[in-house]
Amino acid sequence: SQTIHQWPATLVQPVGSPLSLECTVEGTSNPNLYWYRQAAGRGLQLLFYSVGIGQISSEVPQNLSASRPQDRQFILSSKKLLLSDSGFYLCAWTGDQGPQHFGDGTRLSIL
Amino acid sequence: GQQLNQSPQSMFIQEGEDVSMNCTSSSIFNTWLWYKQDPGEGPVLLIALYKAGELTSNGRLTAQFGITRKDSFLNISASIPSDVGIYFCAGLPNAGNNRKLIWGLGTSLAVNP
Repeated sequence: SQTIHQWPATLVQPVGSPLSLECTVEGTSNPNLYWYRQAAGRGLQLLFYSVGIGQISSEVPQNLSASRPQDRQFILSSKKLLLSDSGFYLCAWTGDQGPQHFGDGTRLSIL
Repeated sequence: GQQLNQSPQSMFIQEGEDVSMNCTSSSIFNTWLWYKQDPGEGPVLLIALYKAGELTSNGRLTAQFGITRKDSFLNISASIPSDVGIYFCAGLPNAGNNRKLIWGLGTSLAVNP
């Protein structure tokens, strides 16, 4: 069966520091991969999605970037974090069609 | 970006009561999904609907794909304390990019034991 792993679970970073969040999927090949951010409380905002290695679509202009160096690996990065980057970051995967399945998320706090 | 209209925004109910929530869209969708999110965790898929008029159950949960393809509802019968959480609807539009889900803003459910 397929599983998705995200790490770290929580992260506290100072303003201006770099960021790297990692997501990996097991048990499937060529998944579509997604990064979401969820502000305190509610809605999911799609940040990036990828349909293959090296293929990244950015949904909103922001201080973040994403990369997909391997088929089942999706990385969210920043060179310099802002206070507004705080939030709950979720990685998800799906097959060519069908529902998305989520990791357990990373709680990012910027000080 | 596009969003689904999900209501109610929050619900406070007594244990044992039934719950109903819904999502509507101004455009046609070909897939409706319902997720539940517990605090500090990622959303978990509850029910997936792929056909207009489809009615699907998962234990005490029942969801329907509206016949107009522009809405869906989720019912929870005989609520229990572990039903507490945020419920999200999501859909795949009929046209455009079929890889991106459109999301509702969630219904926060509190159950009084």
